[in-house]
Amino acid sequence: DVKVTQSSRYLVKRTGEKVFLECVQDMDHENMFWYRQDPGLGLRLIYFSYDVKMKEKGDIPEGYSVSREKKERFSLILESASTNQTSMYLCASSSGQGHYNEQFFGPGTRLTVL
Amino acid sequence: KQEVTQIPAALSVPEGENLVLNCSFTDSAIYNLQWFRQDPGKGLTSLLLIQSSQREQTSGRLNASLDKSSGRSTLYIAASQPGDSATYLCAVSGNYGQNFVFGPGTRLSVLP
Repeated sequence: DVKVTQSSRYLVKRTGEKVFLECVQDMDHENMFWYRQDPGLGLRLIYFSYDVKMKEKGDIPEGYSVSREKKERFSLILESASTNQTSMYLCASSSGQGHYNEQFFGPGTRLTVL
Repeated sequence: KQEVTQIPAALSVPEGENLVLNCSFTDSAIYNLQWFRQDPGKGLTSLLLIQSSQREQTSGRLNASLDKSSGRSTLYIAASQPGDSATYLCAVSGNYGQNFVFGPGTRLSVLP
């Protein structure tokens, strides 16, 4: 079974703090994604990566950055957390075109910024 | 730009009923379509994946169909159970297989 893990289920941070959310997948997937999910707004793509050290902006990249130094790990960074970044953050991975490209999700991190 | 809608937004049925959830997308140039289940406060669980060249996929009591030309997919749940209560989301991936666009979901309640 594909497994996608996220470093924390719940996280509480203060405004202005630098926040790291870590995601690891164990199936050698090429693509990795970060989404945020908010009531009434659904899932919105923040960033995705289709290879090590490669990244692409999604629909709402402002206030976020990402890092992919190793194939299995994709980090989301909030440089200076703000209250409007309080949300559920979901990481996902997929194998890429030519391999069905099924997407698998981690359990999510509920981030609260005070 | 691809847009995905789901009807209905919420559905409540008695246990044992068969039901259909609908997903529509505006751009038929998709690579695949995936149905997910999400329990409150949890991540998404993949239910079924349909490649663009396929018409349907089945897993247990679930059957998903795809009509790419009309931009529609349906998820059929047979003999619903209270444990099926969750939010169901569909997502389509674009021609390059990298970006996924999600629908807003259908919140299903199956009453015992």
